[in-house]
Amino acid sequence: DTGVSQDPRHKITKRGQNVTFRCDPISEHNRLYWYRQTLGQGPEFLTYFQNEAQLEKSRLLSDRFSAERPKGSFSTLEIQRTEQGDSAMYLCASSLMGNTEAFFGQGTRLTVV
Amino acid sequence: AQSVTQLGSHVSVSEGALVLLRCNYSSSVPPYLFWYVQYPNQGLQLLLKYTSAATLVKGINDFEAEFKKSETSFHLTKPSAHMSDAAEYFCAVRPDDQGGKLIFGQGTELSVKP
Repeated sequence: DTGVSQDPRHKITKRGQNVTFRCDPISEHNRLYWYRQTLGQGPEFLTYFQNEAQLEKSRLLSDRFSAERPKGSFSTLEIQRTEQGDSAMYLCASSLMGNTEAFFGQGTRLTVV
Repeated sequence: AQSVTQLGSHVSVSEGALVLLRCNYSSSVPPYLFWYVQYPNQGLQLLLKYTSAATLVKGINDFEAEFKKSETSFHLTKPSAHMSDAAEYFCAVRPDDQGGKLIFGQGTELSVKP
């Protein structure tokens, strides 16, 4: 068990470019969550998967955002046509269904310039 | 909608002093409650959780929290602060057992003075 892994840790991109982040959850965990954290704020829920099914999406997840978990293992979060307001830390977490504890990765810090 | 309020965005204590970080939640039913700690440029680490068992919950590094339903509070305490406790602390509520998403407070930055 190596914990939740996120890649990359840091990403700087120009406004208008597309970016993709990857999250590898703890191997036996069937639930995977994405959160966004802006400076000085608590994390905000974006979306979650149970196995490969995306079961809930926050209204924060605009049309420019898409998340996938194709085989119920790793997940990707893509942001198209990035805007400066997308600059944030993107956190991934995983858990076992029915278990109360979620384990977080170290996050991907996105800076849009 | 569920919400979490952390009173005080910044708390400063001296090393060895009592740490008290306040958290109030809004919930119509007993929720699951959590405290997480975040060090700079890191993810979140679970300190402790309340899942409707004992109202006084003990966590890692001598932290504990007490669930008070009448006050809708879940304050975090530690008897004696250590320099390594300096970090951002987040209180979170999980409204129900469907989905497991967390709703976080805005966080409290804890500073520890030598």
